Amino acid sequence: GNSVTQMEGPVTLSEEAFLTINCTYTATGYPSLFWYVQYPGEGLQLLLKATKADDKGSNKGFEATYRKETTSFHLEKGSVQVSDSAVYFCALSDRGGDYKLSFGAGTTVTVRA
Amino acid sequence: GAVVSQHPSWVICKSGTSVKIECRSLDFQATTMFWYRQFPKQSLMLMATSNEGSKATYEQGVEKDKFLINHASLTLSTLTVTSAHPEDSSFYICSAPPGGETQYFGPGTRLLVL
Repeated sequence: GNSVTQMEGPVTLSEEAFLTINCTYTATGYPSLFWYVQYPGEGLQLLLKATKADDKGSNKGFEATYRKETTSFHLEKGSVQVSDSAVYFCALSDRGGDYKLSFGAGTTVTVRA
Repeated sequence: GAVVSQHPSWVICKSGTSVKIECRSLDFQATTMFWYRQFPKQSLMLMATSNEGSKATYEQGVEKDKFLINHASLTLSTLTVTSAHPEDSSFYICSAPPGGETQYFGPGTRLLVL
């Protein structure tokens, strides 16, 4: 079956620090990979995605590269801001036609001024 | 981007009553929608897949008679929590794919059963 393993938090950083959240996956097929972000009290928002090996998704200064050889999709940002404080979820879609998403456990990130 | 709305955003009800939550795709049609449940500080648990014009598909362990899903149109799916009890208190989130595999999520509905 499909599964996503995500670095556990919580993660606390100072503003302008470098952020990395590790994500690895197990999939029976050739999945698409996603990072979603959830701000306090809100639903999930798509942050970025990648659909094939070596693709790099990017948005709002965040980046993640689809690494098939290491089955990973680590999220990075070079200089975080207080507004980046949120819960980040790694997810995969196995393209089986039903578009079901498998989520990681989520990583809570707090950025201090 | 595609917009998915949910109503209500929060609801408080008495134990034993039923609560209906709506999920709407505002600027696209969705033959499929998904319902998730999220406990505090935990990940999302897929409850069921809502299919327009046919029965919903429930994940293992989810009671279909407890969580009634109706997908009456291409822009609306409803989740009814029947005879709600305190253990049903949770954050319920829906999502829909406008086309392809990227899903867009509603803002969530917080349910508190007293």
